[in-house]
Amino acid sequence: KAGVTQTPRYLIKTRGQQVTLSCSPISGHRSVSWYQQTPGQGLQFLFEYFSETQRNKGNFPGRFSGRQFSNSRSEMNVSTLELGDSALYLCASSMDGNTEAFFGQGTRLTVV
Amino acid sequence: GENVEQHPSTLSVQEGDSAVIKCTYSDSASNYFPWYKQELGKRPQLIIDIRSNVGEKKDQRIAVTLNKTAKHFSLHITETQPEDSAVYFCAAIDGQNFVFGPGTRLSVLP
Repeated sequence: KAGVTQTPRYLIKTRGQQVTLSCSPISGHRSVSWYQQTPGQGLQFLFEYFSETQRNKGNFPGRFSGRQFSNSRSEMNVSTLELGDSALYLCASSMDGNTEAFFGQGTRLTVV
Repeated sequence: GENVEQHPSTLSVQEGDSAVIKCTYSDSASNYFPWYKQELGKRPQLIIDIRSNVGEKKDQRIAVTLNKTAKHFSLHITETQPEDSAVYFCAAIDGQNFVFGPGTRLSVLP
């Protein structure tokens, strides 16, 4: 079956702009989590959605938001971009959040 | 909430030697502990996992052990090969949220 798909793969945005990233989970998976990965910083948890509801949120400013649709696809939005938002954004899907999670290829965001 | 520590941060071994990476967690309610391997420029991939009702699990050259009392779990790689070079992340479940360790960069020297 198809894996987790993230679009776009690469983005270049200007400081102050906003951006929307998309994640399509594996079919049947209802939990989608988002992570920010910067060099040397590991995987920083942003938020997790399950059945269109945000269940958990990490320690990120309100400029970072997300949503999940009825087909479990999820989007992440970052408003008023800052240079420090440049990172690889990964999403991961799992059946219910308590089982194996599979990552997408990520969206590499560069803010200039 | 859950806190996961991982050691060492970097590890270099000779090809053919064993490598061990250790993680500790804080929440005794955590019950699922996966390990991910991330090669340069690629996504993290699940390589092995263990649940709290099991003490050890093995898959070919990779094994994971769990000590619930001490709240630590370890990844063991035997007969290391150059393709094992990557960053390895451990994780623990905190409710519905994966809490990842900071990662270990493993280098296998030929």
